Amino acid sequence: QQQVKQSPQSLIVQKGGISIINCAYENTAFDYFPWYQQFPGKGPALLIAIRPDVSEKKEGRFTISFNKSAKQFSLHIMDSQPGDSATYFCAAFPVDAAGNKLTFGGGTRVLVKP
Amino acid sequence: KAGVTQTPRYLIKTRGQQVTLSCSPISGHRSVSWYQQTPGQGLQFLFEYFSETQRNKGNFPGRFSGRQFSNSRSEMNVSTLELGDSALYLCASGANPASYEQYFGPGTRLTVT
Repeated sequence: QQQVKQSPQSLIVQKGGISIINCAYENTAFDYFPWYQQFPGKGPALLIAIRPDVSEKKEGRFTISFNKSAKQFSLHIMDSQPGDSATYFCAAFPVDAAGNKLTFGGGTRVLVKP
Repeated sequence: KAGVTQTPRYLIKTRGQQVTLSCSPISGHRSVSWYQQTPGQGLQFLFEYFSETQRNKGNFPGRFSGRQFSNSRSEMNVSTLELGDSALYLCASGANPASYEQYFGPGTRLTVT
C-alpha cells in the first residue's frame, strides 16, 4: 500500500520561478521526512530532510514546509535553474526496532525551462 | 570518501536465470538497504541489512534474497528471473539503521528478456 502520496507527477517551470512539490503521508510512526533528487542514470541523492517537530527548514534555494496535523509536507525550489531539472522524491523514514526503511512517494519530474 | 559502488552497472539476463548484484557501502557505514525502481511501481524497499543480519524485508517474493558480509558489503540475488524483474536495483548505505541519511549507489540496470 502506498503510504506516501506525491503530487504533481510532473511540472514545468520557467527559470527563476518556484517549483512546488507536495506530499502526504498516512503512517504517523514516521520520524524523518527526506527529499531526494535523481538525475537520469544516477541514484537518488539526499537533498534535505525535516523532522515532524519542525515546521520549516531551508537550505539554500530548497525549503521544506511541514504540516504535522494535516500529515502533509512540501518542497519549494526557489529561483529554479535548468540544472534543477530532475526527478524529486519525497520519503518517510520510521525509526523503530523492527527495522528501518524509506517509503517513497511516486516522484515528480521537474523541468526548468531556460 | 568514496561513495556507494554497485556492480555490475548493467545486466541482461534471460527468463528463468538467476542473477547476483553486489554493493559496497561507504567506508564505515554498516547498514545496507536495497530498493527496486521501476517506472510503474516507483521506488520499493527490498531489504535491509546490518551487522550481517537482515533486519527488514519488503513485500517481494522469496526469489529475492540477499546477504551481508563482515566487511558490510552486500549482495542480492534474484532466482528464476521473470520479465517483471527488469528494473534498476539500488543499494543505499547508512551509518547505522537509525540513520535516515541514506546514500544511494548508481544502481544496477537489470533487463530480463
